[in-house]
Amino acid sequence: GENVEQHPSTLSVQEGDSAVIKCTYSDSASNYFPWYKQELGKGPQLIIDIRSNVGEKKDQRIAVTLNKTAKHFSLHITETQPEDSAVYFCAFQAGTALIFGKGTTLSVSS
Amino acid sequence: NAGVMQNPRHLVRRRGQEARLRCSPMKGHSHVYWYRQLPEEGLKFMVYLQKENIIDESGMPKERFSAEFPKEGPSILRIQQVVRGDSAAYFCASSNMENTIYFGEGSWLTVV
Repeated sequence: GENVEQHPSTLSVQEGDSAVIKCTYSDSASNYFPWYKQELGKGPQLIIDIRSNVGEKKDQRIAVTLNKTAKHFSLHITETQPEDSAVYFCAFQAGTALIFGKGTTLSVSS
Repeated sequence: NAGVMQNPRHLVRRRGQEARLRCSPMKGHSHVYWYRQLPEEGLKFMVYLQKENIIDESGMPKERFSAEFPKEGPSILRIQQVVRGDSAAYFCASSNMENTIYFGEGSWLTVV
């Protein structure tokens, strides 16, 4: 079945550093790739998404890149802040469902 | 994810009881999804519904689980005869035609 590999599973950075999370997906027909941030005890919050007609999208400190040929997409967070600490999930659309990665726990220390 | 309303937020049930989780989609959204999250894992798709129709239930366990989205009122995820393995966070999400999916804050089910 469809799946997505997400790396790393944990990531610790110093405040102000950049963080990069990478995902590789299986379904070459997918056209939609969202990223979600989940804080403890809360629901996943959509932070950015990209559709397959573009290779990169940026929103302030957050950017996502997509390489459809290689089936890779990545989340880039610049100038990290302590409030960026959370679990981040990549996902891709397979039919009517979103298929999620297992998550990356990002810790930003000040 | 403000706008997708789920209740209850926390639910404790004894083995064998029934659990009912409710979800009101974001205003203007007619598509509802249910996902389950086990501890320290990603979210797993369960079911996709539109008003009065189950569109895709490929992720639903074959027994004890059912979902509905009636013409009036919230979507309901129903788990009959709960077992310990049903303990998880259940998330509802909604979207409009453009498939950007927003999640609610979740319902945490604990089976004792």
